Amino acid sequence: AQSVTQLDSQVPVFEEAPVELRCNYSSSVSVYLFWYVQYPNQGLQLLLKYLSGSTLVESINGFEAEFNKSQTSFHLRKPSVHISDTAEYFCAVSDPVSSSNTGKLIFGQGTTLQVKP
Amino acid sequence: ETGVTQSPTHLIKTRGQQVTLRCSSQSGHNTVSWYQQALGQGPQFIFQYYREEENGRGNFPPRFSGLQFPNYSSELNVNALELDDSALYLCASSRDRDYGYTFGSGTRLTVV
Repeated sequence: AQSVTQLDSQVPVFEEAPVELRCNYSSSVSVYLFWYVQYPNQGLQLLLKYLSGSTLVESINGFEAEFNKSQTSFHLRKPSVHISDTAEYFCAVSDPVSSSNTGKLIFGQGTTLQVKP
Repeated sequence: ETGVTQSPTHLIKTRGQQVTLRCSSQSGHNTVSWYQQALGQGPQFIFQYYREEENGRGNFPPRFSGLQFPNYSSELNVNALELDDSALYLCASSRDRDYGYTFGSGTRLTVV
Protein backbone atom coordinates (compact mmCIF):
# COMPACT_ATOMS: atom_id res chain seq x y z
CA ALA A 1 0.00 0.00 0.00
CA GLN A 2 1.09 3.50 -0.70
CA SER A 3 2.12 5.77 2.13
CA VAL A 4 3.61 9.22 2.52
CA THR A 5 5.91 10.36 5.32
CA GLN A 6 6.55 14.00 5.99
CA LEU A 7 9.60 13.97 8.16
CA ASP A 8 9.03 17.25 10.00
CA SER A 9 5.80 18.20 11.74
CA GLN A 10 6.90 21.81 12.22
CA VAL A 11 9.55 23.89 10.50
CA PRO A 12 10.27 27.32 12.00
CA VAL A 13 12.32 29.63 9.78
CA PHE A 14 13.15 33.33 9.59
CA GLU A 15 11.87 35.48 6.76
CA GLU A 16 14.10 35.49 3.65
CA ALA A 17 15.85 32.28 4.76
CA PRO A 18 15.77 29.13 2.60
CA VAL A 19 13.55 26.23 3.57
CA GLU A 20 13.15 22.54 2.72
CA LEU A 21 10.11 20.47 3.62
CA ARG A 22 10.85 16.78 3.36
CA CYS A 23 8.60 14.11 1.89
CA ASN A 24 9.23 10.42 1.34
CA TYR A 25 6.80 7.96 -0.19
CA SER A 26 6.51 4.22 -0.54
CA SER A 27 5.12 2.65 -3.65
CA SER A 28 5.96 -0.26 -5.88
CA VAL A 29 4.54 1.27 -9.07
CA SER A 30 4.74 4.50 -10.96
CA VAL A 31 3.39 7.34 -8.91
CA TYR A 32 2.28 10.87 -9.31
CA LEU A 33 3.37 13.33 -6.62
CA PHE A 34 1.86 16.55 -5.32
CA TRP A 35 2.36 19.32 -2.81
CA TYR A 36 -0.68 21.13 -1.46
CA VAL A 37 -0.84 24.18 0.81
CA GLN A 38 -3.56 24.86 3.36
CA TYR A 39 -4.00 28.29 4.93
CA PRO A 40 -5.94 28.55 8.22
CA ASN A 41 -9.64 27.77 7.87
CA GLN A 42 -9.32 27.09 4.17
CA GLY A 43 -9.27 24.10 1.83
CA LEU A 44 -6.26 22.74 -0.02
CA GLN A 45 -4.58 24.55 -2.88
CA LEU A 46 -2.35 22.73 -5.35
CA LEU A 47 1.19 24.09 -5.17
CA LEU A 48 2.87 21.85 -7.74
CA LYS A 49 2.76 18.34 -9.16
CA TYR A 50 4.97 15.77 -10.83
CA LEU A 51 3.31 13.49 -13.37
CA SER A 52 6.15 12.80 -15.79
CA GLY A 53 9.03 14.47 -17.60
CA SER A 54 11.50 16.75 -15.85
CA THR A 55 12.10 15.69 -12.27
CA LEU A 56 12.29 19.32 -11.14
CA VAL A 57 8.91 21.05 -10.97
CA GLU A 58 8.26 24.66 -10.05
CA SER A 59 5.34 26.69 -8.79
CA ILE A 60 4.47 30.24 -9.70
CA ASN A 61 5.32 31.56 -6.22
CA GLY A 62 8.93 30.40 -6.03
CA PHE A 63 8.59 26.88 -4.61
CA GLU A 64 10.18 23.92 -6.35
CA ALA A 65 10.28 20.17 -5.74
CA GLU A 66 12.48 17.45 -7.13
CA PHE A 67 11.33 13.90 -7.78
CA ASN A 68 14.04 11.44 -6.75
CA LYS A 69 13.01 7.92 -7.68
CA SER A 70 16.01 6.17 -6.15
CA GLN A 71 15.43 7.86 -2.79
CA THR A 72 11.62 7.83 -3.14
CA SER A 73 11.54 11.49 -2.16
CA PHE A 74 9.81 14.64 -3.31
CA HIS A 75 11.19 17.42 -1.12
CA LEU A 76 9.81 20.94 -1.38
CA ARG A 77 12.20 23.90 -1.37
CA LYS A 78 12.12 27.66 -1.52
CA PRO A 79 15.28 29.79 -1.55
CA SER A 80 13.74 32.73 0.33
CA VAL A 81 10.49 32.53 2.31
CA HIS A 82 8.01 35.29 3.13
CA ILE A 83 5.71 35.76 6.11
CA SER A 84 2.82 34.95 3.78
CA ASP A 85 4.22 31.43 3.23
CA THR A 86 3.18 30.51 6.78
CA ALA A 87 0.75 27.61 6.31
CA GLU A 88 0.33 23.83 6.48
CA TYR A 89 1.94 21.92 3.62
CA PHE A 90 0.86 18.46 2.54
CA CYS A 91 2.69 16.01 0.33
CA ALA A 92 0.50 13.53 -1.54
CA VAL A 93 0.93 10.55 -3.84
CA SER A 94 -1.43 8.95 -6.33
CA ASP A 95 -1.46 5.97 -8.64
CA PRO A 96 -2.08 6.66 -12.31
CA VAL A 97 -5.81 6.59 -13.09
CA SER A 98 -6.96 3.35 -14.72
CA SER A 99 -9.98 1.08 -14.72
CA SER A 100 -8.93 -0.17 -11.29
CA ASN A 101 -7.47 3.00 -9.79
CA THR A 102 -9.42 6.10 -8.92
CA GLY A 103 -6.43 8.40 -8.80
CA LYS A 104 -7.20 9.03 -5.13
CA LEU A 105 -4.70 11.10 -3.21
CA ILE A 106 -2.80 9.64 -0.24
CA PHE A 107 -1.63 12.47 1.99
CA GLY A 108 1.13 12.80 4.52
CA GLN A 109 0.51 14.16 8.01
CA GLY A 110 1.47 17.68 7.02
CA THR A 111 4.26 20.09 7.91
CA THR A 112 3.57 23.44 9.53
CA LEU A 113 5.83 26.12 8.08
CA GLN A 114 6.19 29.01 10.52
CA VAL A 115 7.93 32.03 9.02
CA LYS A 116 9.15 34.48 11.63
CA PRO A 117 10.02 38.14 11.02
CA GLU B 1 -14.99 29.91 -13.71
CA THR B 2 -16.57 29.01 -10.40
CA GLY B 3 -14.67 26.96 -7.86
CA VAL B 4 -15.89 24.20 -5.56
CA THR B 5 -18.38 25.35 -2.97
CA GLN B 6 -19.35 23.40 0.14
CA SER B 7 -22.20 23.89 2.56
CA PRO B 8 -22.61 24.39 5.39
CA THR B 9 -19.25 25.77 6.52
CA HIS B 10 -19.75 24.70 10.12
CA LEU B 11 -22.08 22.19 11.75
CA ILE B 12 -22.63 20.85 15.25
CA LYS B 13 -24.43 17.53 15.69
CA THR B 14 -25.16 15.17 18.54
CA ARG B 15 -23.82 11.64 18.68
CA GLY B 16 -26.18 9.22 16.95
CA GLN B 17 -27.65 11.82 14.61
CA GLN B 18 -27.37 11.89 10.83
CA VAL B 19 -25.78 14.64 8.72
CA THR B 20 -25.73 15.62 5.05
CA LEU B 21 -22.93 17.73 3.60
CA ARG B 22 -23.16 19.28 0.14
CA CYS B 23 -20.70 20.10 -2.59
CA SER B 24 -21.05 21.95 -5.88
CA SER B 25 -18.36 20.99 -8.37
CA GLN B 26 -16.32 23.39 -10.41
CA SER B 27 -17.88 24.09 -13.80
CA GLY B 28 -16.95 21.37 -16.33
CA HIS B 29 -15.90 18.84 -13.68
CA ASN B 30 -17.65 15.45 -13.61
CA THR B 31 -15.73 13.74 -10.80
CA VAL B 32 -16.10 14.40 -7.09
CA SER B 33 -14.00 13.01 -4.25
CA TRP B 34 -14.62 13.39 -0.53
CA TYR B 35 -11.92 13.51 2.13
CA GLN B 36 -11.98 13.57 5.93
CA GLN B 37 -9.33 15.66 7.68
CA ALA B 38 -9.13 15.12 11.43
CA LEU B 39 -7.44 17.82 13.50
CA GLY B 40 -3.69 17.79 12.98
CA GLN B 41 -3.85 15.07 10.32
CA GLY B 42 -3.68 14.85 6.55
CA PRO B 43 -6.88 14.31 4.59
CA GLN B 44 -8.07 10.73 4.14
CA PHE B 45 -9.94 9.52 1.08
CA ILE B 46 -13.57 8.56 1.75
CA PHE B 47 -14.91 7.86 -1.74
CA GLN B 48 -15.13 9.15 -5.29
CA TYR B 49 -18.06 9.60 -7.66
CA TYR B 50 -17.60 9.63 -11.42
CA ARG B 51 -20.58 10.26 -13.70
CA GLU B 52 -23.01 9.61 -10.85
CA GLU B 53 -21.54 6.25 -9.77
CA GLU B 54 -19.29 5.41 -6.85
CA ASN B 55 -15.86 4.84 -8.35
CA GLY B 56 -13.74 3.87 -5.37
CA ARG B 57 -13.91 3.87 -1.60
CA GLY B 58 -11.44 4.30 1.21
CA ASN B 59 -11.41 2.57 4.58
CA PHE B 60 -14.65 4.05 5.90
CA PRO B 61 -17.69 2.14 7.22
CA PRO B 62 -20.96 1.89 5.26
CA ARG B 63 -22.59 4.58 7.41
CA PHE B 64 -20.61 6.97 5.20
CA SER B 65 -22.50 7.18 1.92
CA GLY B 66 -22.80 9.58 -0.95
CA LEU B 67 -24.60 10.69 -4.06
CA GLN B 68 -23.70 12.51 -7.22
CA PHE B 69 -26.43 14.28 -9.16
CA PRO B 70 -26.82 14.84 -12.93
CA ASN B 71 -25.37 18.35 -12.54
CA TYR B 72 -22.35 16.68 -10.85
CA SER B 73 -23.01 18.22 -7.47
CA SER B 74 -22.62 15.78 -4.61
CA GLU B 75 -23.70 14.89 -1.09
CA LEU B 76 -21.93 13.11 1.72
CA ASN B 77 -24.20 11.44 4.26
CA VAL B 78 -23.06 10.13 7.60
CA ASN B 79 -25.43 8.10 9.77
CA ALA B 80 -25.16 7.26 13.46
CA LEU B 81 -22.59 9.97 14.13
CA GLU B 82 -19.74 9.18 16.48
CA LEU B 83 -17.47 11.59 18.34
CA ASP B 84 -14.54 10.54 16.11
CA ASP B 85 -16.44 11.79 13.06
CA SER B 86 -15.58 15.32 14.16
CA ALA B 87 -13.38 16.63 11.37
CA LEU B 88 -13.07 18.92 8.37
CA TYR B 89 -14.76 17.31 5.37
CA LEU B 90 -13.29 18.33 2.04
CA CYS B 91 -14.79 17.94 -1.39
CA ALA B 92 -12.59 17.95 -4.50
CA SER B 93 -13.73 17.98 -8.10
CA SER B 94 -11.87 17.17 -11.30
CA ARG B 95 -12.55 16.47 -14.95
CA ASP B 96 -12.56 12.83 -16.06
CA ARG B 97 -10.61 11.71 -12.96
CA ASP B 98 -7.50 13.59 -14.01
CA TYR B 99 -5.21 15.26 -11.52
CA GLY B 100 -6.52 18.78 -11.75
CA TYR B 101 -8.30 18.48 -8.40
CA THR B 102 -9.93 21.64 -7.08
CA PHE B 103 -10.73 21.55 -3.37
CA GLY B 104 -13.50 23.36 -1.58
CA SER B 105 -12.97 25.15 1.73
CA GLY B 106 -14.58 22.31 3.62
CA THR B 107 -17.30 21.73 6.20
CA ARG B 108 -16.21 21.66 9.82
CA LEU B 109 -18.33 19.01 11.58
CA THR B 110 -18.32 18.81 15.36
CA VAL B 111 -20.04 15.86 17.04
CA VAL B 112 -20.88 16.32 20.72
